[in-house]
Order: sequence, then C-alpha cells, then structure tokens
Amino acid sequence: GQSLEQPSEVTAVEGAIVQINCTYQTSGFYGLSWYQQHDGGAPTFLSYNALDGLEETGRFSSFLSRSDSYGYLLLQELQMKDSASYFCAVKISKAAGNKLTFGGGTRVLVKP
Amino acid sequence: DVKVTQSSRYLVKRTGEKVFLECVQDMDHENMFWYRQDPGLGLRLIYFSYDVKMKEKGDIPEGYSVSREKKERFSLILESASTNQTSMYLCASSSHPGGEGRNIQYFGAGTRLSVL
Repeated sequence: GQSLEQPSEVTAVEGAIVQINCTYQTSGFYGLSWYQQHDGGAPTFLSYNALDGLEETGRFSSFLSRSDSYGYLLLQELQMKDSASYFCAVKISKAAGNKLTFGGGTRVLVKP
Repeated sequence: DVKVTQSSRYLVKRTGEKVFLECVQDMDHENMFWYRQDPGLGLRLIYFSYDVKMKEKGDIPEGYSVSREKKERFSLILESASTNQTSMYLCASSSHPGGEGRNIQYFGAGTRLSVL
C-alpha cells in the first residue's frame, strides 16, 4: 500500500518559521505536492517538487529528497492567515488520471 | 479562474437512501476525482475519471459508484447510504499533463454529508 506520514499538528507564533515534514512509501513516485486547506474551505495547491532540491514561492518553500523519500514544506514569517491544514501528496503514476495520494494532513495553528 | 462547483454544501440523508453528489468544473479538464475527508485520515480517493464515460476505482470505492456522461460533470452515487458514509466529500479536477509534469488539482468547497 501507499503511506505518507506527516505530523498531525504544529503550533507556532506569528513571525516564526515552521517546517512540516512528509515521508512517503509509495509504489511509484513522480512528484510531491503540497496543498493548503483553511477550515471550511477547499484545498488549494501550494507547490510541487519533482526533482531534489528547494523550490521557493514567496514565504513558502518546499524541499524534496528522492533518495530519502522525504520532503518538507517551510513556512516563513508566519502570519495568522497561515493557520490551516497542510497536506503532502504524491503523484504515483504517469498514467491517465494522474491521481494523487495524500497524507493525513498537518494542522498549523499560529498564535499572536 | 478555475471553478469546481459542488451542488450541495450540506446534506442530511437517511440510512438506505440513494444519494447523488454532483460536481461541475468549468475548465475543460480531462480528469475528475471524488475524495472523502475524515479527521486524521487526510483525503482518500474514492473514484476518478480521466475521460467521459471512463472511471477507475480509487482506494476506497466500496459502497460508491460514479457517473461521467459529460466532460464537465462527475457524479458520486451512494446506492444505499449508511452511517459510516457520513463525511466531507470533495470533488476535484485537473488537466492531463503527461509524464512527470505537475498535476494541480482544483477542489470544490465540499459537501458535508450526514447519514442518520
């Protein structure tokens, strides 16, 4: 089966840095994505890594190490609006449909 | 902007009822997906479709079926609803970038289904 492990919850203060780790064991691997979901809202795409290394998009960065089956999402200069759940997801196939397998999600709580 | 619209935000049904959840996307996407979301379990794929009339089982298809008669619409059907199907249901769509390209899924706001 497929498994993606990420911490269930992280708490930090405004302005801090949070790192959300994701380790995966999947039958195939073609990329690691991250999605953000606010309470009551739809998940929205944040980032995608297909190759090893760091991808930066504003205050958010995502890292991938394929050899370690590991990635992380880095949230910098935390703001209250970053309080949300964050999901890692693996693309396990190049076949039609391009389905994703999601982790259980990490709830990030930002305190003043 | 991509828009994925789910027909109902909240639904309450009784055990044994047949339930239809509808999803429409306006971006001419080839792929559509149905997930259920439960606390601590993330998003689990029920069914997906990569073309009209094509469907494939996801990780938890038991008790569900789907229909895709038009490219923009993907329906999830609970043939005989049970209390363990009480959950948040999310629909998503994506284009079909071949190979290793990124595959952004665009989600609807979800339907919270309660089966009593």
